[in-house]
Amino acid sequence: DAGITQSPRHKVTETGTPVTLRCHQTENHRYMYWYRQDPGHGLRLIHYSYGVKDTDKGEVSDGYSVSRSKTEDFLLTLESATSSQTSVYFCAISEPGTPSTDTQYFGPGTRLTVL
Amino acid sequence: AQSVTQPDIHITVSEGASLELRCNYSYGATPYLFWYVQSPGQGLQLLLKYFSGDTLVQGIKGFEAEFKRSQSSFNLRKPSVHWSDAAEYFCAVGATGTASKLTFGTGTRLQVTL
Repeated sequence: DAGITQSPRHKVTETGTPVTLRCHQTENHRYMYWYRQDPGHGLRLIHYSYGVKDTDKGEVSDGYSVSRSKTEDFLLTLESATSSQTSVYFCAISEPGTPSTDTQYFGPGTRLTVL
Repeated sequence: AQSVTQPDIHITVSEGASLELRCNYSYGATPYLFWYVQSPGQGLQLLLKYFSGDTLVQGIKGFEAEFKRSQSSFNLRKPSVHWSDAAEYFCAVGATGTASKLTFGTGTRLQVTL
């Protein structure tokens, strides 16, 4: 399995509070991604990073921000959590270059509940 | 932009029976195609992928998938299902030349009866 950890694994918070989720990798892959998974929607991309300090928006980026100050860490922040952000959040990594390496590998997920 | 459709939300098969999970994609060129499996409470595990070449792709756990350009499909198959195959299966499509922007289907939940 790819060396990807996510913390925390579970979190319960209240509406209006800030929340930061962390993704840590030991594979030295350039690309990192944050997805959310909701029933009936599959996985939807929130933000992704293609290098240190280089990030871009995905299809459901409203209400989320990200930062990447080191290759191995990618942070997802909910500035003011809302109940609609209750979801399971997955981090993924990939290393573009050749077809054999250009594949997304996923972390174990973080279950976030916003009350 | 690419899109993916998994027509079957839920499928039930008996242990030992064959399995086919459907995936249809929309993309103007030859896409990168993936199948992932997710067990309850777990992350997604890559089963197999297609980039180019041989249209029949072998994966882990005895799974295979066939890319059919004429039908815009990438169906997943297994000749004999085991109870441990019960999980949710996701098809994903990426643009030609990169897996960095994947679009996922909504998933098919597989139940295996003994």
